[in-house]
Formats: sequence, C-alpha cells, structure tokens
Amino acid sequence: DVQLVGSGGGLVQPGGSLRLSCAASGFTFSDYEMNWVRQAPGKGLEWISNISTTGSTAYHVESVKGRFTISRDNAKSSVYLQMNSLRAEDTAFYYCARVSRYCSGGTCTPYFDYWGQGTLVTVSS
Amino acid sequence: QSVLTQPPSVSGVPGQRVTISCTGNSSNIGAGYDVHWSQQLPGTAPKLLIYGNTNRPSGVPVRFSGSKSGTSASLAITGLQAEDESDYYCQSYDSGLSAYVFGTGTKVSVL
Repeated sequence: DVQLVGSGGGLVQPGGSLRLSCAASGFTFSDYEMNWVRQAPGKGLEWISNISTTGSTAYHVESVKGRFTISRDNAKSSVYLQMNSLRAEDTAFYYCARVSRYCSGGTCTPYFDYWGQGTLVTVSS
Repeated sequence: QSVLTQPPSVSGVPGQRVTISCTGNSSNIGAGYDVHWSQQLPGTAPKLLIYGNTNRPSGVPVRFSGSKSGTSASLAITGLQAEDESDYYCQSYDSGLSAYVFGTGTKVSVL
C-alpha cells in the first residue's frame, strides 16, 4: 500500500526555520513528482511546492518563493521542505502529496492521488 | 486566494441527491485542464475522490460522480449518507499562474 508519512512540524518563532520531511513507501518513489500542500486552520487547501522525479526542477507558489525550498532524496524515498524566514501566516498543516497525471484531448492535468497525514507548523512568538 | 469557486456549504437529508459546483476560467478549466475532486473528513488528510472529471479510484462508492462542461465542473452525491458529511475540494491546473489550483471548498452537511 502507498504510504506517505510526514514529520518535522512544531512551534517556531517568526523569522525562524524548520525542515519538514515526508517518507514514502509502497511505490517506486523515483517515478513520481512530489508536492507540498498546506492548509491553515479552518481554511482551504493551498499548493505550495512541486519537485520533478529527478529533483532537477522545482516550483514554488509566489508567497513562499525565496523562503521555502523543496528537495528530494530518491535513495531514501523522501521529500523535504526547508522553510526559512517563517511568518505567522505560514501557520498551517503541511501535507506531502504524490502527483499523477490524467491526459485527455492532448492535455495532461496533474492531480494528487495520495496524501500524507499532515504535520502542523505553528509560527508564533 | 483560491482560483476555483465552490459554494461554501450544501446540505441534504439521507438518500437525497446533492451537487457541488466548481467554477473556473479560461486559464484553467476552460483551457482544457481536467478537474479532480478530493474529500476531507474532519481532522484527516484529503483523499482523492474523482480524477479526470469522471473517474473514481478503486474503493470510491458509485454514488459519487463528476462532470465537466465549459469553465465549470460538478460533483454529485446520489443517495446521500451520513458518512458523506465532509469537506470537498475541486482541483485543476492554471496555465496563467503555472500552478496547481484548488477550489474554495464545500462543506456537505447531512440533516
């Protein structure tokens, strides 16, 4: 069975740093793009980062560019999110998610087919 | 911040049919990108419910169905059950933003 287990969340002061990890099992990790999605308490879902299968390409939403960095280690079947210069508005549950693609009519649309259990990051003094 | 618009809440009695709309624009759904739906039960991570507009992953009950037309999509629950009380999110891709985009989310209540 596919499993994604996130860890590394906690309480951090504004301006601080935190590194999230997500350990994958039950599938060939190096075959899939991986992402991080966050959800502020009581709010909706927000995609924040994507990384290619080899780790050579990464994308981040504008609000975290320059502060967050996604990376992966295919040998360890793990994906990471390094978060620096944290702000109060970064407080959220952070989910790692596997990406698959559905293709029709010449267009392929990515979707999140498996999610980790989420790890809570609280930014507060 | 969400690019796709959903109604905040929908409710129904057991056995009823309810639908949730997801409205986008010409940069996402209208550009030909497909729509996927996830269910998030209280206190848990989201779970894939529908992919590629109409397809159910293994294990998802047949009472869940999806459709897409133009710049919108819909999720229908036929024969509403108490365990369907949850939050539902649509998701697609936006070429203008070069980003994965989610809907605003809809809370389904079973009366």
